[in-house]
Amino acid sequence: NAGVTQTPKFRVLKTGQSMTLLCAQDMNHEYMYWYRQDPGMGLRLIYYSASEGTTDKGEVPNGYNVSRLKKQNFLLGLESAAPSQTSVYFCASSANPENTEAFFGQGTRLTVV
Amino acid sequence: GQNIDQPTEMTATEGAIVQINCTYQTSGFNGLFWYQQHAGEAPTFLSYNVLDGLEEKGRFSSFLSRSKGYSYLLLKELQMKDSASYLCAVMDSNYQLIWGAGTKLIIKP
Repeated sequence: NAGVTQTPKFRVLKTGQSMTLLCAQDMNHEYMYWYRQDPGMGLRLIYYSASEGTTDKGEVPNGYNVSRLKKQNFLLGLESAAPSQTSVYFCASSANPENTEAFFGQGTRLTVV
Repeated sequence: GQNIDQPTEMTATEGAIVQINCTYQTSGFNGLFWYQQHAGEAPTFLSYNVLDGLEEKGRFSSFLSRSKGYSYLLLKELQMKDSASYLCAVMDSNYQLIWGAGTKLIIKP
């Protein structure tokens, strides 16, 4: 059972470079999320998507963009990476946000130098 | 503002019981979640409370008091594999999860 799969798992970028993180889920979940996790802080929501073709900003969207062209995929883009975007990024999905658990991918450790 | 507070780190002994507390102040409340996260891994779901009281699931139990803005996670018969971070998260009025920074639990033999 794949669940939620993120690629890549590790990446080092130079300041100003761009990249896309891919998240794929095979549970037919409507909701998908991108979080970042930094030391000493809770998970912070970057963007989320309530259905295919829709996206909404979370707590920390600046410097990122997203797309959900297919229900199973949720892409996170960094157009011009900055050292402040060094973090561990987690994708998650859920059937609905109200009372069901979210399933997380294994994370992408991104370093911007 | 919205705030979730939990201790940064706790230490306990194998076979013992430990209680991890979480206090919250959020704009609305639609439930409280506990997740477990082993180092370098993804968070995994442990429990969900929306009504006051205790929910028991095997060795793990979670308690909620909405009037006090308080929850705890109780782990019994601790095992070495329970060494992990435990994340408290509250769903606010917009159905967004607000996460605490997590409690790192260290289990000693």
